[in-house]
Amino acid sequence: GENVEQHPSTLSVQEGDSAVIKCTYSDSASNYFPWYKQELGKRPQLIIDIRSNVGEKKDQRIAVTLNKTAKHFSLHITETQPEDSAVYFCAASPVAQKLVFGQGTRLTINP
Amino acid sequence: GAVVSQHPSWVICKSGTSVKIECRSLDFQATTMFWYRQFPKQSLMLMATSNEGSKATYEQGVEKDKFLINHASLTLSTLTVTSAHPEDSSFYICSARGSRGLSTDTQYFGPGTRLTVL
Repeated sequence: GENVEQHPSTLSVQEGDSAVIKCTYSDSASNYFPWYKQELGKRPQLIIDIRSNVGEKKDQRIAVTLNKTAKHFSLHITETQPEDSAVYFCAASPVAQKLVFGQGTRLTINP
Repeated sequence: GAVVSQHPSWVICKSGTSVKIECRSLDFQATTMFWYRQFPKQSLMLMATSNEGSKATYEQGVEKDKFLINHASLTLSTLTVTSAHPEDSSFYICSARGSRGLSTDTQYFGPGTRLTVL
């Protein structure tokens, strides 16, 4: 089945700097790749997603890139702010719209 | 739009009892709902996929007789943890897949239910 690896597990950056989180997946049939942000004790919230027919997508300070050949995708957050501190999860959708999640990245933005 | 609710938000029960958790899509119809379990500082692990009007599909290693799932309508799915034990203590989160008018790939998550079994 699908396996999603996410790195790094923790990331600390200075406010205003950029943060990059990377994921790889194993199933070439996966065609949908969302990113979720989860604050402590809260629900995961979709922040951006990308489908396999697109290589890059941007929404204000957040962007996602997808390399289907290499089977990896990345989340880029620019001009980071303290409220960006949270756990971020990538996911891949292999079949039947189910999602396989990465292990998560705890992002800390230092003022 | 695309709001998913869960009830209760937290529950404490004694070992051996059963607990029911409800997941509702409030402003859209969800033909498919998913149930996840999340242990502290870990990722979301899919337990089962629930389709309205049919039996749930369980992931490998998840006991279907212990985690009973019912998806009786297009807006409601329930998860019953039967004969709960302390090791079942976890954060249970449901999600609903978008339907007409929404992205059918996107999963919208409920707020989660924290289960503590004493």
